[in-house]
Amino acid sequence: DVKVTQSSRYLVKRTGEKVFLECVQDMDHENMFWYRQDPGLGLRLIYFSYDVKMKEKGDIPEGYSVSREKKERFSLILESASTNQTSMYLCASSLPGGYEGYTFGSGTRLTVV
Amino acid sequence: KQEVTQIPAALSVPEGENLVLNCSFTDSAIYNLQWFRQDPGKGLTSLLLIQSSQREQTSGRLNASLDKSSGRSTLYIAASQPGDSATYLCAVQGSARQLTFGSGTQLTVLP
Repeated sequence: DVKVTQSSRYLVKRTGEKVFLECVQDMDHENMFWYRQDPGLGLRLIYFSYDVKMKEKGDIPEGYSVSREKKERFSLILESASTNQTSMYLCASSLPGGYEGYTFGSGTRLTVV
Repeated sequence: KQEVTQIPAALSVPEGENLVLNCSFTDSAIYNLQWFRQDPGKGLTSLLLIQSSQREQTSGRLNASLDKSSGRSTLYIAASQPGDSATYLCAVQGSARQLTFGSGTQLTVLP
């Protein structure tokens, strides 16, 4: 069964910490995405990547960066965590063009205190 | 800019009922539409994917239809069960190759 795996289900971090959220897919997908999901705001795209070492800003990139050194791994980095980054973070992957749809991971619930 | 609307926002039905969830989108130039299920605190599970050239897709008790010209999709759930309780999200993929999500329908199936 194809999978997108997010390394942590729950994380608690302190304000100002540098935080790494990891996502690994085993489907040889070129495209990978990071979303955050908040009540009343739905899913919002943070960053995406169409290839290794490529990255594109989504709708809300401020305060985040990403790294894609290998095709299967896409990392989301919070350079200096803030309380307003407390959220559910979802990683997804797809083939080029997304013709077979998107596959999502199980999510990481991040709390910044 | 594409906008996706899901109605109703919440729905409660007794077990065994057939039900329909609605999704509408403003820009008909889409490549596909995908229905997802999300359980509380969990990620998204793909239910059905409809390509723009297709009219419907079926999987078990689920049937999704697409009317691209009118900007509408429906998810039909037959013989609902308590295990179907979840939030259902529709998402459309447009020319930018990115997904635009609706806000979801929270379904509760009562035993």
